[in-house]
Amino acid sequence: ILNVEQSPQSLHVQEGDSTNFTCSFPSSNFYALHWYRWETAKSPEALFVMTLNGDEKKKGRISATLNTKEGYSYLYIKGSQPEDSATYLCAFPNQAGTALIFGKGTTLSVSS
Amino acid sequence: GAGVSQSPSNKVTEKGKDVELRCDPISGHTALYWYRQSLGQGLEFLIYFQGNSAPDKSGLPSDRFSAERTGGSVSTLTIQRTQQEDSAVYLCASSLAPLSNQPQHFGDGTRLSIL
Repeated sequence: ILNVEQSPQSLHVQEGDSTNFTCSFPSSNFYALHWYRWETAKSPEALFVMTLNGDEKKKGRISATLNTKEGYSYLYIKGSQPEDSATYLCAFPNQAGTALIFGKGTTLSVSS
Repeated sequence: GAGVSQSPSNKVTEKGKDVELRCDPISGHTALYWYRQSLGQGLEFLIYFQGNSAPDKSGLPSDRFSAERTGGSVSTLTIQRTQQEDSAVYLCASSLAPLSNQPQHFGDGTRLSIL
């Protein structure tokens, strides 16, 4: 059974702090790794889909790196803002390629 | 363009009743997914539709759950004889193509509460 682990479970930072979270996934038969942001009372929003070992993607103050050989991805947020408060989910395709297996997420709270 | 639309946004019902949840995917998206998030759990896959292919129902937790997708567009998820453990947020997503390197676009979800 494929398993996706995320850490930490929750995180509280001050406005302006930079932070990062970890996603661990099976390193064998890698195909893609997804990151989503889920704000309260909104729908999950796709941040990145990463497919290549060593890949690094950036969207504004948020960036992500990927290591497929060791099975982990890091999500970085530079200069956190209150609007970054959300749950950040990573996900890995199931073996059939018909759905994503999600981690339980890292819940970020940014205080002003 | 319009995003994924789900209805109702909230549903409260008594144990034992049947419920029907609706999802209208983004126009042109061939793949449609249902997930749910129970309290304290991660997003859990339920069912996947792709075009006219047979759906992947491997995530449905019991035979009380069923889903259909009519005309390759709108999908309904039906839960019969609801139980309290069915309480969750039910999310629908669609993607442009049935490849796992395509981002999924989610609706706002249906929050289902079983009394």
